Amino acid sequence: DSGVTQTPKHLITATGQRVTLRCSPRSGDLSVYWYQQSLDQGLQFLIQYYNGEERAKGNILERFSAQQFPDLHSELNLSSLELGDSALYFCASSSMKGTDLNTEAFFGQGTRLTVV
Amino acid sequence: EDKVVQSPLSLVVHEGDTVTLNCSYEVTNFRSLLWYKQEKKAPTFLFMLTSSGIEKKSGRLSSILDKKELSSILNITATQTGDSAIYLCAVGSGAGSYQLTFGKGTKLSVIP
Repeated sequence: DSGVTQTPKHLITATGQRVTLRCSPRSGDLSVYWYQQSLDQGLQFLIQYYNGEERAKGNILERFSAQQFPDLHSELNLSSLELGDSALYFCASSSMKGTDLNTEAFFGQGTRLTVV
Repeated sequence: EDKVVQSPLSLVVHEGDTVTLNCSYEVTNFRSLLWYKQEKKAPTFLFMLTSSGIEKKSGRLSSILDKKELSSILNITATQTGDSAIYLCAVGSGAGSYQLTFGKGTKLSVIP
């Protein structure tokens, strides 16, 4: 158990709908990353938050947005869903202590999203 | 755009064999290289290599970072069926932030 909690584990929804995925980072971790994993694309970086602020953006569609709340949990919002959005969505967290910013990220178990 | 390439994409070996997995990268502001093992769902962390720690070993697994060649290898000796998984290489980079860019992974299958 990595200590990163994602809910829900599975989600089935129709095209055009909107869903929210939730992530609670490991205790004390300030940084949260969101990744999308589909069969042929590997782990694609979507977005990173650090202590409530957006830090880096990857290949995140405009239909997707995220935020990190004061209690450090994060939510990924996916709207106007398309069939191609079906994938495993991972959240990861890492600590950034002092000046040592090279830290490993610990992954949650993921949310399997199926758009039908 | 940061790029991480792993090879081979898949590999089938017999128990007891030794395997070497490769990872090469092109990133701006390299900070670290990480290896993960993904079995069913969540990737689990194996090693992190940086300029100050270019070689790591844990049991039958070991990894080396070659900053000159912009690459890393992951070695697994005396493989076991429990080593069957997808092995992911990730590179940490960034100036003001710290991003992890992943390769597509190497799928290792160890057969008895």
